[in-house]
Amino acid sequence: DAGITQSPRHKVTETGTPVTLRCHQTENHRYMYWYRQDPGHGLRLIHYSYGVKDTDKGEVSDGYSVSRSKTEDFLLTLESATSSQTSVYFCANSPHGQGHTQYFGPGTRLTVL
Amino acid sequence: QQQVKQSPQSLIVQKGGIPIINCAYENTAFDYFPWYQQFPGKGPALLIAIRPDVSEKKEGRFTISFNKSAKQFSLHIMDSQPGDSATYFCAASMMEGGADGLTFGKGTHLIIQP
Repeated sequence: DAGITQSPRHKVTETGTPVTLRCHQTENHRYMYWYRQDPGHGLRLIHYSYGVKDTDKGEVSDGYSVSRSKTEDFLLTLESATSSQTSVYFCANSPHGQGHTQYFGPGTRLTVL
Repeated sequence: QQQVKQSPQSLIVQKGGIPIINCAYENTAFDYFPWYQQFPGKGPALLIAIRPDVSEKKEGRFTISFNKSAKQFSLHIMDSQPGDSATYFCAASMMEGGADGLTFGKGTHLIIQP
């Protein structure tokens, strides 16, 4: 079990506004991930974290930033939302990182008008 | 970004049939291959995973077949049920070298008809 909650679960915002999505875990796993899911593209990695204050870019990181000040929280920020960032965002965690099981949260549906 | 190619995009099977979903990968350094099942409105959930030191793994009605030389792996669902209707994703990653996330296929929308 991921022990992950994501907030908000749904959000509608306007182009150009900043948006922050929150991922909270109860498991204290070291590794955390943000993915986006779009029809025809599957899930694509945005950013990941391998510890407090340790983060790195994934495949589709442009326009996104992340922060991890506590083990349990991993924040995804869209500095200036665009319509192309309309998507479903999933947070995941893993106790052992690469090559091991990742557990996913319930997702956040974001619509940018 | 190394790709994982998944087919078919959608699949309809009668109850009791054996749907087969195929994936092919390019990066020979991949050595962990999980399958995820996703129901509408939910996050993906790990179904079964395989490492390349075995050619087949079974868990209940779900079987992964792995062909290392062809760089292909597939998911078979035995005695499929309407409750198996979901989107299935294959994925791949490397066991060593860091904390990178999984590389996913684009998904297969499976419908099991009663």
